[in-house]
Amino acid sequence: GAVVSQHPSWVICKSGTSVKIECRSLDFQATTMFWYRQFPKQSLMLMATSNEGSKATYEQGVEKDKFLINHASLTLSTLTVTSAHPEDSSFYICSARVPSGYTFGSGTRLTVV
Amino acid sequence: AQSVTQLDSHVSVSEGTPVLLRCNYSSSYSPSLFWYVQHPNKGLQLLLKYTSAATLVKGINGFEAEFKKSETSFHLTKPSAHMSDAAEYFCVVSGPWTNAGKSTFGDGTTLTVKP
Repeated sequence: GAVVSQHPSWVICKSGTSVKIECRSLDFQATTMFWYRQFPKQSLMLMATSNEGSKATYEQGVEKDKFLINHASLTLSTLTVTSAHPEDSSFYICSARVPSGYTFGSGTRLTVV
Repeated sequence: AQSVTQLDSHVSVSEGTPVLLRCNYSSSYSPSLFWYVQHPNKGLQLLLKYTSAATLVKGINGFEAEFKKSETSFHLTKPSAHMSDAAEYFCVVSGPWTNAGKSTFGDGTTLTVKP
């Protein structure tokens, strides 16, 4: 139980385009979803916290206009990287709180060329 | 405020020998502590968690960890390493469940298992 499905698992896009990453909670309702970014061989850095039906809370230094988060339902949260540039290339992971702790999506490898 | 320090960025062991991955934490609250494992280009899998119950926590795949409040430590151990244990391990601390629930990740420890 408590599975978060994240799509796509990998994506390559051109500079200047936008990319949407989806995280769906399959068998539970996720009122809160966390979005992380992970650079190669580094730890996970929290980008933002999304709450169903309200605006996301962004961590210091994260551009909210560049990383748009929508959490319109209890089972879906999306992260859109707008006007992507090569420096946005990274591994993005979502996470939801569940009784046992946190459950993570499988991650999205974004490469901007 | 909370923080977590993984004391070793890399640990290398031989197959069949014990594994010790060290983690120290600080927290203004009674913390919840977790160990996660990440294989290359994969998401994170929960190994075990401590949430103020038994201080010795048993997890999956033979891993266990002991919460020591006096030492502010939560070290991960396994009696006998397997080749499949080679991965990145993260120690994570989070605040009370009724709060924002933000997690703070350690920098990770890369475990290498030699045949």
